Amino acid sequence: EIVLTQSPATLSLSPGERATLSCRASQSVSSYLAWYQQKPGQAPRLLIYDASNRATGIPASFSGSGSGTDFTLTITSLEPEDVAVYYCQQRRNWPLTFGGGTKVEIK
Amino acid sequence: QVQLVQSGAEVKKPGASVKVSCEASGYTFTDFYMHWVRQAPGQGLEWMGRINPNNGGTNYAQKFQGRVTMTRDTSISTAYMELSGLRSDDTAVYYCARKSSYSDNWFDPWGQGTLVTVSS
Repeated sequence: EIVLTQSPATLSLSPGERATLSCRASQSVSSYLAWYQQKPGQAPRLLIYDASNRATGIPASFSGSGSGTDFTLTITSLEPEDVAVYYCQQRRNWPLTFGGGTKVEIK
Repeated sequence: QVQLVQSGAEVKKPGASVKVSCEASGYTFTDFYMHWVRQAPGQGLEWMGRINPNNGGTNYAQKFQGRVTMTRDTSISTAYMELSGLRSDDTAVYYCARKSSYSDNWFDPWGQGTLVTVSS
């Protein structure tokens, strides 16, 4: 099973700051990585697929990068509505697995 | 628009079974795999398995093999997930999530979730 490790566990930033979230895989997942956003009390929403492609309707302030074992989700300018837990997920191998999540807070 | 609407919250006793439904609308039900993902209180996401609504074929995570059964009824565009032998650590929100339109095994959109509480 591919283990995805996300860091940091919690990120506390001021509005307008840049947020950088990390996801590291226990073995290569090529570019088969996605990011999801889960706001409090809501279901997750797909943000980024295949490492760097934004899903429909996702603002350009969200971007993804990386390949192999190291991936990054960047929010270029944090807004209050970006408060959420962000999860990475791989589809390289069965079973499909998720990272433990990074909670993004506003200072 | 594509929408997945799940059944309501359930309270079950240990050892019982639960069956959660997921009604799809806004697209051709048989064209997209349906996945099931669960989330224990305050915890992360865990993939359980998927069903091909076209032929009923399933793939289950090994952790749930023997306890989970995924089915579908194409006449009413509804997928089901049944989990048996419930334990307290099965208490979780269970989500259905459709295969995305981009490529296999990304999830988009998701249902609203169904809370299953296992308690004696």
